[in-house]
Amino acid sequence: SAVISQKPSRDICQRGTSLTIQCQVDSQVTMMFWYRQQPGQSLTLIATANQGSEATYESGFVIDKFPISRPNLTFSTLTVSNMSPEDSSIYLCSVFASGRLPARETQYFGPGTRLLVL
Amino acid sequence: GQNIDQPTEMTATEGAIVQINCTYQTSGFNGLFWYQQHAGEAPTFLSYNVLDGLEEKGRFSSFLSRSKGYSYLLLKELQMKDSASYLCAVTQIGGGYNKLIFGAGTRLAVHP
Repeated sequence: SAVISQKPSRDICQRGTSLTIQCQVDSQVTMMFWYRQQPGQSLTLIATANQGSEATYESGFVIDKFPISRPNLTFSTLTVSNMSPEDSSIYLCSVFASGRLPARETQYFGPGTRLLVL
Repeated sequence: GQNIDQPTEMTATEGAIVQINCTYQTSGFNGLFWYQQHAGEAPTFLSYNVLDGLEEKGRFSSFLSRSKGYSYLLLKELQMKDSASYLCAVTQIGGGYNKLIFGAGTRLAVHP
């Protein structure tokens, strides 16, 4: 398994400001994933962060709005830039951790960061 | 692209059995996950299927048919604490790594 922590756990921000969310994993992982979960909805993948290279963004998400850092194999940050009320959401960090069988990998989630933009 | 469908809501009675279906269309399929998510909490892993057939784990079982693009999660001996959202997610290979794409989730309400 993998233990994932996120900071902050929640925040209330003003429109136009930026917030950086930190994700720390207790083991080295190749890929780290950032998801968004808007109120009452399922999870949407924002981007995939690979250590030593630029993050890969999903359709509808851009680096200028959601810059990501991945300085080492246990840590990543996601910044939500120039926030608007539509960015109010839960932001979750996630990693794959190898299971017992080589063919099986389980994806684990951090506790999430609850963001409210006023 | 990908498309994952599951019912929006289901209700069931405590002690009963409920089956939550998931159909998917995706390229680069590499397995299907079921997650449980209680309100205000992060998703927690329930099951993973990559081969056809049934995987049983206690009160929960998950089935996969790759040829039909179909999976179900079976919950037996339902308890009130099973009231949660159940998320079907497909692992997709792309760019040399796996990524997980989620369906919209099924909100299950268990009542006495």
